[in-house]
Amino acid sequence: EAGVAQSPRYKIIEKRQSVAFWCNPISGHATLYWYQQILGQGPKLLIQFQNNGVVDDSQLPKDRFSAERLKGVDSTLKIQPAKLEDSAVYLCASSLAGYNQPQHFGDGTRLSIL
Amino acid sequence: AQKVTQAQTEISVVEKEDVTLDCVYETRDTTYYLFWYKQPPSGELVFLIRRNSFDEQNEISGRYSWNFQKSTSSFNFTITASQVVDSAVYFCALSDRAGGFKTIFGAGTRLFVKA
Repeated sequence: EAGVAQSPRYKIIEKRQSVAFWCNPISGHATLYWYQQILGQGPKLLIQFQNNGVVDDSQLPKDRFSAERLKGVDSTLKIQPAKLEDSAVYLCASSLAGYNQPQHFGDGTRLSIL
Repeated sequence: AQKVTQAQTEISVVEKEDVTLDCVYETRDTTYYLFWYKQPPSGELVFLIRRNSFDEQNEISGRYSWNFQKSTSSFNFTITASQVVDSAVYFCALSDRAGGFKTIFGAGTRLFVKA
């Protein structure tokens, strides 16, 4: 079974620029998550999709972050414009439907803002 | 409120020592799920175990064991005879309905196992 695929692996941009991350979940997984992980902290949920609908985006800074899940499969997360405090690892995860399901994570994208 | 506390920021042990990672949680729900994940230096979080709130049986998987105690709201993780490959950050996580079906993670415990 192929795991969760994320790209790019690393990204360096200057503040006020835009950036996009891509995620392809495990086949058959209805739920897709985007997390932000700042160095030394646990993952913080940004947005959760069930198929192509948003379940929770309460912690997504909507003035600069946006996300979509195309046809209930792939997903992109965009930041525009980036701020210095956005430097973090962005993790994508997927799971079967249900809050009792374990999540499967991709390798993450390490974003550095200069 | 939904909360997960991992009070140990870093633990350092010598190979073959036993080590216990603590996890304390808070939830209003009677039905909830607890998880442990491992994040090795490569960065990918790996699922280790899930426990539901109605099952307080301890679980053992090889050198890993988990102790779930509802009376103290704790879900501790013990590694027996630690190995260098166990060096990683370990996260405890909680998922419940009161939290909007979200999973929240603790801050993690970084484990160093020295040869």
